[in-house]
Amino acid sequence: DIQVTQSPPSLSASVGDRVTITCRTDQSVFNYLNWYQQKPGQAPKLLIYGASNLQNGVPSRFTGSGAGTDFALSINSLQLEDFATYFCQQTYTNPIVFGQGTEVVLK
Amino acid sequence: QVQLQESGPGLVKPSETLSLTCSVSGDSITIYHWNWIRQTPGKGLEWIGYIYDSGSFSVHPSLKGRVTMSQDTSRNQFSLKLTSLSAADTAVYYCARGRRGFAYALDFWGQGILVTVSS
Repeated sequence: DIQVTQSPPSLSASVGDRVTITCRTDQSVFNYLNWYQQKPGQAPKLLIYGASNLQNGVPSRFTGSGAGTDFALSINSLQLEDFATYFCQQTYTNPIVFGQGTEVVLK
Repeated sequence: QVQLQESGPGLVKPSETLSLTCSVSGDSITIYHWNWIRQTPGKGLEWIGYIYDSGSFSVHPSLKGRVTMSQDTSRNQFSLKLTSLSAADTAVYYCARGRRGFAYALDFWGQGILVTVSS
């Protein structure tokens, strides 16, 4: 199985901050890396697919980058509605694996 | 707009079999990959498997032997059966669509169903 390591497990930030979450895989997944946002009591919501493609309807302050084994999700100018948990996911090979999640909390 | 809705029991006894169904509207289940994922506080998000094409399916190796998937194209539904349940299978179960050509990202999800395994 491909191992997916997401960091940090949590971070505290203020409205307006820029935050970056990283995801590392133990072998290349090329660009088969996706990012999701989840709020309590809700299903995950797709933000970024294929490492850097913004899903329809997702604000442009979300950007994804990376390829191979190292990836990042950045949120520019954090808004109140962005405080949530974020997951990465590799879909290059089965089994599909999710990162452990990063909780973004209000400082 | 694509919508998915899970249905099934909320409480199942240990050693029994869980049967869940995902009803899809706004898209045909004969296209794309149709996934099952579960989530627990301790293990996070775990991919269970997906069904695709004419009913082929791929399952997480850790669940192989316990999982069967099927589809009913006339009702536009797909289903999951998980046997030999234990407390470790207690989780929120989601169904979701995976898009080929979009890195198989899961772009539409059901709301999830909490399944508790307990006697």
